[in-house]
Amino acid sequence: EAGVVQSPRYKIIEKKQPVAFWCNPISGHNTLYWYLQNLGQGPELLIRYENEEAVDDSQLPKDRFSAERLKGVDSTLKIQPAELGDSAVYLCASSLAGVETQYFGPGTRLLVL
Amino acid sequence: GENVEQHPSTLSVQEGDSAVIKCTYSDSASNYFPWYKQELGKRPQLIIDIRSNVGEKKDQRIAVTLNKTAKHFSLHITETQPEDSAVYFCAAYNTDKLIFGTGTRLQVFP
Repeated sequence: EAGVVQSPRYKIIEKKQPVAFWCNPISGHNTLYWYLQNLGQGPELLIRYENEEAVDDSQLPKDRFSAERLKGVDSTLKIQPAELGDSAVYLCASSLAGVETQYFGPGTRLLVL
Repeated sequence: GENVEQHPSTLSVQEGDSAVIKCTYSDSASNYFPWYKQELGKRPQLIIDIRSNVGEKKDQRIAVTLNKTAKHFSLHITETQPEDSAVYFCAAYNTDKLIFGTGTRLQVFP
C-alpha cells in the first residue's frame, strides 16, 4: 500500500511569488491534514479536512494561505504571496475517519529568498 | 487549549544503553498519545502509541508508559542502536487534533 504522497519535495521561490503544494493521502483515508514544521519544532496543524469539508482551519493564515480538497481525495495548499518567514517544511498527513492515528507524507521543504 | 512539553531537547547515549524521553500534557481530556520518529529530511514515522485506558505498551525494544493522574507519558528505548538516532516527537490527541511536543534529538554513539 502506498503511503501519503507529496510534491514537490523541494521548492525555492522569491518572496512575493505564489507557491502550491500537492498531497495525495493513503487510499480510503477520509481525513487529511496540512501541517507546518519549522526547523527544530514539532508539526503544527494548519487545516483539517473531513472528505471535501475543511472542519478546522483556525490556524490557517487566511490572508495568504488557502487550501482545497475538491473531490475529497487529493489536496492543494497554496501561499500567495510568499514571505521570508514561510520557509519551512509543509507536511501532509491522513487518517481513517474517526481514527486518531495519522500517517505523514515526506513533506515539501520550502525556501523563500 | 492543549499544551505538550517534551524533555530533554537533546539526548546522547552509548550504544546498548537505554534512552528515556518524557512528555507532559495539560488537558486531561486528551486520550491518545503517539510517538513519532523523524530522521533528517524524512517523514515523521509512527513508532508506538498508547490510549488513555492503558498504562503501558511495549513493542520489542520500545515501550511507552502513561500516568493519567500526573498527565505525563514517556518513551523508553532499550539496547539502543546507532539507527535509533533521530528526532523523536510526542503528541497528545485533543479535540480531533494532534498537539506535538518540540522534539528530542537522540544520538546513539557506537
